[in-house]
Amino acid sequence: AQKVTQAQTEISVVEKEDVTLDCVYETRDTTYYLFWYKQPPSGELVFLIRRNSFDEQNEISGRYSWNFQKSTSSFNFTITASQVVDSAVYFCALSEAGHNQGGKLIFGQGTELSVKP
Amino acid sequence: EPEVTQTPSHQVTQMGQEVILRCVPISNHLYFYWYRQILGQKVEFLVSFYNNEISEKSEIFDDQFSVERPDGSNFTLKIRSTKLEDSAMYFCASGRGQPQHFGDGTRLSIL
Repeated sequence: AQKVTQAQTEISVVEKEDVTLDCVYETRDTTYYLFWYKQPPSGELVFLIRRNSFDEQNEISGRYSWNFQKSTSSFNFTITASQVVDSAVYFCALSEAGHNQGGKLIFGQGTELSVKP
Repeated sequence: EPEVTQTPSHQVTQMGQEVILRCVPISNHLYFYWYRQILGQKVEFLVSFYNNEISEKSEIFDDQFSVERPDGSNFTLKIRSTKLEDSAMYFCASGRGQPQHFGDGTRLSIL
């Protein structure tokens, strides 16, 4: 069965600190996708990144970086030099590719990040 | 950049009433989804729709729920007889595979 675990319910940091959000997933499929979404206080879901199961390269986008490790079934997200605007709930999600590539997303419980000035 | 559009942004309905939530997916997308988020909880999959039929649905998506793509552009979620526990944010999403692009959601409040 598919499952995504975000063990950190809430994290509070001071601006300019680095912060890592953990995500551990379970799936029996060999082909799957992993995602991170940001949900700011306004409520919308903002897509941040997709990673497929065959690409274990880490990715960096500005202050954001992602560490995908199949050996530990983890897909962790690091924000460097955090800013107040980073305050949001962050969701990790998993999709098994399926035959039509349109598989549902299974979300973790989310981590609420609070960045204080 | 094209967006998924959802209307209304907030819907207040009496318990037992029917409600229709509307979505306009991105025009060249092939897969359509509804998700639900009860306040303070995680986002949960309800149903996926491909090639004019439901491709997958969750346990939440019981006989009270239905989806339709009536005119090739809109994608609707109908709840036939609402219950208090249907109060949630409902997100529509669309994609050409992955990733899925989400609308801003409709907050449904059942009184």
